[in-house]
Amino acid sequence: AQKVTQTQTSISVMEKTTVTMDCVYETQDSSYFLFWYKQTASGEIVFLIRQDSYKKENATVGHYSLNFQKPKSSIGLIITATQIEDSAVYFCAMREGPSGSWQLIFGSGTQLTVMP
Amino acid sequence: NAGVIQTPRHKVTGKGQEATLWCEPISGHSAVFWYRQTIVQGLEFLTYFRNQAPIDDSGMPKERFSAQMPNQSHSTLKIQSTQPQDSAVYLCASSLGDSNERLFFGHGTKLSVL
Repeated sequence: AQKVTQTQTSISVMEKTTVTMDCVYETQDSSYFLFWYKQTASGEIVFLIRQDSYKKENATVGHYSLNFQKPKSSIGLIITATQIEDSAVYFCAMREGPSGSWQLIFGSGTQLTVMP
Repeated sequence: NAGVIQTPRHKVTGKGQEATLWCEPISGHSAVFWYRQTIVQGLEFLTYFRNQAPIDDSGMPKERFSAQMPNQSHSTLKIQSTQPQDSAVYLCASSLGDSNERLFFGHGTKLSVL
């Protein structure tokens, strides 16, 4: 069975610094997709970035990047030059490959607070 | 593009009453998902449809919960005989028709069962 674990409940950082959020996953599938989503204080959940398991290069979008360590089943999210508005809950999620269910399994989330 | 629309935003029901939650996915999206979010359980998958057909309902409580997608423009989640433990934010999401596509979430319906 698939499982996604985020052990960091909350993180506080100063504005303009870099933060890394950890995520480990479990799956029996050889092909899968890993996602990070952000939930703002208003409750809105938005997609940030995706890593396909067959790609060796770490995905990067804007000031978000991933640290994909497949042998460790780890997909860390790195946010550089953090801004106050990055304060939110960040969820790691996983989905099976094309032949499996499209069900997205979420981790428990990490609350990020960016301080001025 | 108005995004995924969920109605109502808030619903209060008495124990034992029925609750119907509505979702309008983004036009052109072929997959629709339902999730439930609580403080204790986090984000839980309930069910999803692809091209209006139910594909995976493994997260749905077997009793009292049902979901339908009668046409491509809306889906409903019905909870019969609501119980206090059903109180949660119910989230609908849609995506394009590929397994690696991102989900676009609605703002959710907060269900409170008194």
